[in-house]
Formats: sequence, structure tokens, C-alpha cells
Amino acid sequence: DAGVIQSPRHEVTEMGQEVTLRCKPISGHDYLFWYRQTMMRGLELLIYFNNNVPIDDSGMPEDRFSAKMPNASFSTLKIQPSEPRDSAVYFCASSQGTGVEKLFFGSGTQLSVL
Amino acid sequence: ELKVEQNPLFLSMQEGKNYTIYCNYSTTSDRLYWYRQDPGKSLESLFVLLSNGAVKQEGRLMASLDTKARLSTLHITAAVHDLSATYFCAVDGIETSGSRLTFGEGTQLTVNP
Repeated sequence: DAGVIQSPRHEVTEMGQEVTLRCKPISGHDYLFWYRQTMMRGLELLIYFNNNVPIDDSGMPEDRFSAKMPNASFSTLKIQPSEPRDSAVYFCASSQGTGVEKLFFGSGTQLSVL
Repeated sequence: ELKVEQNPLFLSMQEGKNYTIYCNYSTTSDRLYWYRQDPGKSLESLFVLLSNGAVKQEGRLMASLDTKARLSTLHITAAVHDLSATYFCAVDGIETSGSRLTFGEGTQLTVNP
């Protein structure tokens, strides 16, 4: 398996623009997580899905952020409109099972909002 | 709110020396994870500790879990340069459904020749 695949690897955009981050989890994994990593706040869980259904989105910063998982092999995290404070590395991770399984992380998307 | 604290946050050590990284957490949990992150890279799972007293070892790294003390340790034996990375512990907040990890701040380890 190729692991968790994220795209793009790097994204540079201007404030106010829409940004869409993409993730393909490992086949057979039924949990998918979106994390954000910054120097100031470390790793924060934004939202996670179980069997394509959002379970906990309490970490989503505000209404500008939205996430979808239309099927078991694809998820998106959208920021609209983007702001400079959204600049961070966004990781997608997937796991199989109910929490005792380790997370497998993607390579991350480095987002810079100018 | 579950809090996970690591100590120290920065660690510079010489090759061949031993050291321990500590991870304290604030709520009942019997599932703790250690991850490694190299600069500019993703997170790689090192250990999964699933019960009180659990001990896992791989190479020069050994992790343990004391759920009563809400403490996990990552012990480094005879450090080598290749161990330089940031190490994160993460705890599963089992009060919430499913799998929801809260990460510590990370310990940035530098092993000097």
C-alpha cells in the first residue's frame, strides 16, 4: 500500500482565496483524521471521520473551515476564505479499528497564506 | 479537557549518553502512543502502549506506561546521531467515542557527535 496520500505537498495562496486540501487514506482504514501543526499550537486535531461520517469537528477553528468525506477513499479539507493565520502544515491520518490502532500519517500539506 | 505535557521540550545530548523523555497526561487513559518526526517530514509511529506497566523496546528506544501515575517515559540508551528528531507522545481521550488522540508539545532531540 502507498500509505496515506495527500495533495498538494505545498500550497501558496493569497488571503481571501479558497484552498482545498486532499487526502486518500489507506485502503481498509475506517477512521480518517485531519490535523494541523504549527509552532505555536503544536498538533491539533481538526476533525475526524468514521466510515465517512464526521464524528467530532470540535477542533475546526471556525466556519471558514469545512471537511468532507464523500467515500472511503477520499477526503477534502477546505478553507474559504483563507487567512494568513491559517498558514500551517496540515496532516491527514488514517487508522483501522477503534483507537487501539496506531495512526498512519500522510506527508502533509504545507500551506502558506500571504 | 485532556492535557498532555512533555518534558523536556528541547534536549541536546552527546552520542553514547542515556536520557529519558517524560510524558504526563491529565485524564484516565490506558492507551498511549509515541511518534517520531524528522524535520520537514511526517510522523512515524514508534510505540503503542495499551496497558498499565506496558513496556516496548526497539533498538535504543524503550517506552513504558504507568497509568496510575498518568506517566509515560521514552528512554534513550547510548544515543546516536540518527536519533535526532522530534518525539511526540499522544494519548487517547477515551471519554470521547472512537479514536481521538491528543498530542504533547513534542521533544526536540539533538544528538551531537
